[in-house]
Amino acid sequence: AQSVTQLGSHVSVSEGALVLLRCNYSSSVPPYLFWYVQYPNQGLQLLLKYTSAATLVKGINGFEAEFKKSETSFHLTKPSAHMSDAAEYFCAVTCRDYKLSFGAGTTVTVRA
Amino acid sequence: GAGVSQSPSNKVTEKGKDVELRCDPISGHTALYWYRQSLGQGLEFLIYFQGNSAPDKSGLPSDRFSAERTGGSVSTLTIQRTQQEDSAVYLCASSPGDGANVLTFGAGSRLTVL
Repeated sequence: AQSVTQLGSHVSVSEGALVLLRCNYSSSVPPYLFWYVQYPNQGLQLLLKYTSAATLVKGINGFEAEFKKSETSFHLTKPSAHMSDAAEYFCAVTCRDYKLSFGAGTTVTVRA
Repeated sequence: GAGVSQSPSNKVTEKGKDVELRCDPISGHTALYWYRQSLGQGLEFLIYFQGNSAPDKSGLPSDRFSAERTGGSVSTLTIQRTQQEDSAVYLCASSPGDGANVLTFGAGSRLTVL
């Protein structure tokens, strides 16, 4: 069985500031990990994924995430927030089968 | 199609009525998923279809929920005798079924049960 925990249901950042969204996972086997973003009234869109290659994964829109096995973490970062980053972000894990388990989501608000 | 298409986008129904939600996946994607997204909660897995294999129905919350996938393409999620707690956004996703687990989601069907 696998699960993810996203720390913080809401994050507010100033435009230009660092965005840090935390995700910790639990998995009995080496996992695949994902971050998805959901804009209002839209479906989820893949930001990036980790599938056991490089531990630092770069995604779209300037986001990246680092897989840290020792900390069972896969935190998402972006050096400089933009107003268009306001959305809900979901971390997800799979034990390399078809079933993805999603976190509860973190809503990001960007202040001008 | 170019993306995953879901209909209706919004559905308001009365308690006790049956509803059908439709999902048209990306052409050629063999895997299809239904998830439920409730306010303040993550995505809850409902059901998974892969090719001609028996679906994984382990996430369906009660026997009022059922889903089928005809011809390996379009899927319909049916909720019978709807209850207020069924109110949620129902998301459909598809993937190539190649093991990479990259899902493409539709925009969802928002169900409100009065």
